Amino acid sequence: ETGVTQTPRHLVMGMTNKKSLKCEQHLGHNAMYWYKQSAKKPLELMFVYNFKEQTENNSVPSRFSPECPNSSHLFLHLHTLQPEDSALYLCASSQEWSLAGAYEQYFGPGTRLTVT
Amino acid sequence: AQKVTQAQTEISVVEKEDVTLDCVYETRDTTYYLFWYKQPPSGELVFLIRRNSFDEQNEISGRYSWNFQKSTSSFNFTITASQVVDSAVYFCALSEGQGGSEKLVFGKGTKLTVNP
Repeated sequence: ETGVTQTPRHLVMGMTNKKSLKCEQHLGHNAMYWYKQSAKKPLELMFVYNFKEQTENNSVPSRFSPECPNSSHLFLHLHTLQPEDSALYLCASSQEWSLAGAYEQYFGPGTRLTVT
Repeated sequence: AQKVTQAQTEISVVEKEDVTLDCVYETRDTTYYLFWYKQPPSGELVFLIRRNSFDEQNEISGRYSWNFQKSTSSFNFTITASQVVDSAVYFCALSEGQGGSEKLVFGKGTKLTVNP
C-alpha cells in the first residue's frame, strides 16, 4: 500500500465544470502539498499546508481552491479551468514544514487532468 | 533566488553501463538541502536522498552514489551497472533551510533510458 493516494487518477473536464481532486496520506505527516507538472515547465509548487494551515500559495489562480480538513486529507477544487491547466497534479506529504530544515516529501501517483 | 539546473535533458545507455546525472544549484544561503527524486513511468515521484549543506560526505546506497561538491555547487548522481528498471526521469531539488520560505525547487529533470 502506498503512503500517499490520489483520486481520481485521470480526469477529463470541460471548462465550465467543477471537480475536485483528493489526496490522502497514511504516513502520519503534518504537511501536505499540491504540485503541478506540465510538459513545458518544471515541477511547480502550488500550495502548502502545515498542520492544516495554508502556509504557501505560490501565486496560483483562484480557479484552483485547496482545502485541508485534517492533516491526512487534502483537496484541490477546480472550477472554470483553461486548457493550459491540463497537467499532472501531484500531491505530497512530509513530516512538517519547518524553519529547522526541509524534510523529504513523499508523493502520490498524481491525477492526470485534461481540460477540454 | 534559488535555481536548480539539470543540463542533461535525456540520456540513453545500455544495461550495465555506469551513468552520471548532473545537478548544479544556485543559492545564497549557507544552510540548504538537496534532494534527488525518481519518477518512473507510473508518475509517482520516489524520494532517493536528502543531503544538508553541512555534510559533504559522498554517499553510496547499493548501485546509487551521490557526489556533493560545494566548491562547484554540484550534487551529481551516479548509477553503477544500470538496469532497465532504472529507466525514469530523475529530478534534483533544492530547499533553503532558513529564512522563511522552504520551497522545494526542482530542476527540469533528466530522462534516463536504459536499454537491454
